[in-house]
Amino acid sequence: QKEVEQDPGPLSVPEGAIVSLNCTYSNSAFQYFMWYRQYSRKGPELLMYTYSSGNKEDGRFTAQVDKSSKYISLFIRDSQPSDSATYLCAMIKSGGYQKVTFGTGTKLQVIP
Amino acid sequence: ETGVTQSPTHLIKTRGQQVTLRCSSQSGHNTVSWYQQALGQGPQFIFQYYREEENGRGNFPPRFSGLQFPNYSSELNVNALELDDSALYLCASSLVQDIGELFFGEGSRLTVL
Repeated sequence: QKEVEQDPGPLSVPEGAIVSLNCTYSNSAFQYFMWYRQYSRKGPELLMYTYSSGNKEDGRFTAQVDKSSKYISLFIRDSQPSDSATYLCAMIKSGGYQKVTFGTGTKLQVIP
Repeated sequence: ETGVTQSPTHLIKTRGQQVTLRCSSQSGHNTVSWYQQALGQGPQFIFQYYREEENGRGNFPPRFSGLQFPNYSSELNVNALELDDSALYLCASSLVQDIGELFFGEGSRLTVL
């Protein structure tokens, strides 16, 4: 069983829709949570970063962490065709070096 | 401020050969890590270097090795290439105190025949 589970999709939505992306994890040692966006043939880029349970908002993006359920989400409001990419959840355990454990990634397509 | 650059962008090798991939970190960053991303998968952590020392390693065999230079550039070396080594190799630089804030290059795509 993988430490981080993420539905690979693909997920196809119309422009303007609200998108919900999710990951679950099995190890309570994970304390830092990130969402990265990866366009085709590019490296991942950091979208959102959070440490604590709760919500964090940045423009059209909201990251949500529920440590009690070991569940994290990313919401995209008013989705745009430029949001079409693969979204990777990622997390780090407390202590030690920056070993980031990534999910499989969810491929999102926003249709104009 | 320059970003993370990697070379070469694409390369083809045959089984048993050796390969060296190069990375130039973002200016001011003191930590570099390498990830392997197979097709349709998330990146997998190979190792991390801080102050020219390896300070963390994932589940990769010793034939994967690396170096970090005083100017924070880095190399990933893979010996005795296997078919399963075909993947996108990503370099990420960061500041050791900024946990999780990795800045990735565009990767080197390795094909092993």
